[in-house]
Amino acid sequence: DSGVTQTPKHLITATGQRVTLRCSPRSGDLSVYWYQQSLDQGLQFLIQYYNGEERAKGNILERFSAQQFPDLHSELNLSSLELGDSALYFCASSPGIGDTQYFGPGTRLTVL
Amino acid sequence: DQQVKQNSPSLSVQEGRISILNCDYTNSMFDYFLWYKKYPAEGPTFLISISSIKDKNEDGRFTVFLNKSAKHLSLHIVPSQPGDSAVYFCAARGNFGNEKLTFGTGTRLTIIP
Repeated sequence: DSGVTQTPKHLITATGQRVTLRCSPRSGDLSVYWYQQSLDQGLQFLIQYYNGEERAKGNILERFSAQQFPDLHSELNLSSLELGDSALYFCASSPGIGDTQYFGPGTRLTVL
Repeated sequence: DQQVKQNSPSLSVQEGRISILNCDYTNSMFDYFLWYKKYPAEGPTFLISISSIKDKNEDGRFTVFLNKSAKHLSLHIVPSQPGDSAVYFCAARGNFGNEKLTFGTGTRLTIIP
């Protein structure tokens, strides 16, 4: 158990819908990262937050957004969902900047 | 553009023998490398890392070797145990200001009892 929690574990929804994925980092960790893993792909970096502020962006679609709240939990919002958005979404956290990232168990999103 | 490559999708090794997993990278700005292990239905678990100023790092049964000139790293597991059966991901990170991890596509390691 890495100490990073993600909810929900599974999510099934329809095209065009909007969903919110939630991540609670390890106690004391200030950095939160979001990654997407599609079928047979490695993990792709989406976005990073540090202490409530956006720090880096990867190949995140404009339909996707995220934020980190004052209690340091983070949410990833996915809207106008398409079939291709079906994937595993992982959250990771680290104490600060440049530290080892520890991953949560992931949320499996299925768009029908 | 796959900046981190794991060219072997799968590897089978007899229990007790050495497992060697390989990883190549193309971006010379990477300065820190990590290996993660992943079981089904779980998130990646950190295994071991190495800074670009080193060429070897050891932690118990796990050793990572880095050859900067060849842009190649490898993970050695000795001796291999059945619990090592998992997917192993190589990841690379830039320096300060670029902390995102760039992952390879993974190698599925199967340890044969």
